[in-house]
Amino acid sequence: KAGVTQTPRYLIKTRGQQVTLSCSPISGHRSVSWYQQTPGQGLQFLFEYFSETQRNKGNFPGRFSGRQFSNSRSEMNVSTLELGDSALYLCASSPLGGVPNNEQFFGPGTRLTVL
Amino acid sequence: SQQGEEDPQALSIQEGENATMNCSYKTSINNLQWYRQNSGRGLVHLILIRSNEREKHSGRLRVTLDTSKKSSSLLITASRAADTASYFCAPLGGSNYKLTFGKGTLLTVNP
Repeated sequence: KAGVTQTPRYLIKTRGQQVTLSCSPISGHRSVSWYQQTPGQGLQFLFEYFSETQRNKGNFPGRFSGRQFSNSRSEMNVSTLELGDSALYLCASSPLGGVPNNEQFFGPGTRLTVL
Repeated sequence: SQQGEEDPQALSIQEGENATMNCSYKTSINNLQWYRQNSGRGLVHLILIRSNEREKHSGRLRVTLDTSKKSSSLLITASRAADTASYFCAPLGGSNYKLTFGKGTLLTVNP
């Protein structure tokens, strides 16, 4: 099976712009979670989608949003980018119920740099 | 959700040696997962051990879990340079919906 894919892999934006990141989970996986990883804050949970519904949400401002399509592919959008949004954005997929009973399969991440 | 605390924070060994890292947590769990992250292969799930298991093996990896002490250990035998990475544990209870990592153990395997 193909692994989790994320596009683009690298992105450079300027403050105030918006960005959309894409994630394709492993075939058959219905749960997709998004994480932000920075050296200072470590891994932080953004949100989880399951069957096109946002099931859980982390403590991020409303500028961060996401959605999931019927084929389980997911996108996340960040509007009005700030310098502090520079990070590695990771997508993880999991079969059926996701965390806590299943391992998470991570994509390679999208490295976002905001100038 | 709770996060695990990995110990030591850094570990440097020679190729062929064994590496042991530990994880402690605070509240009861359903399972505990170990992950590895390096620049080459990203964040990868290594092993999941359930709360009713005491030991689990996967290739060169051996994980133990002591729920009475709320601790787990990851042993990597016959280490290789490619094992150089940060290792994270994620203790998970029934209401968890997200992974929360601590600072991890940075393992350096010198050739």
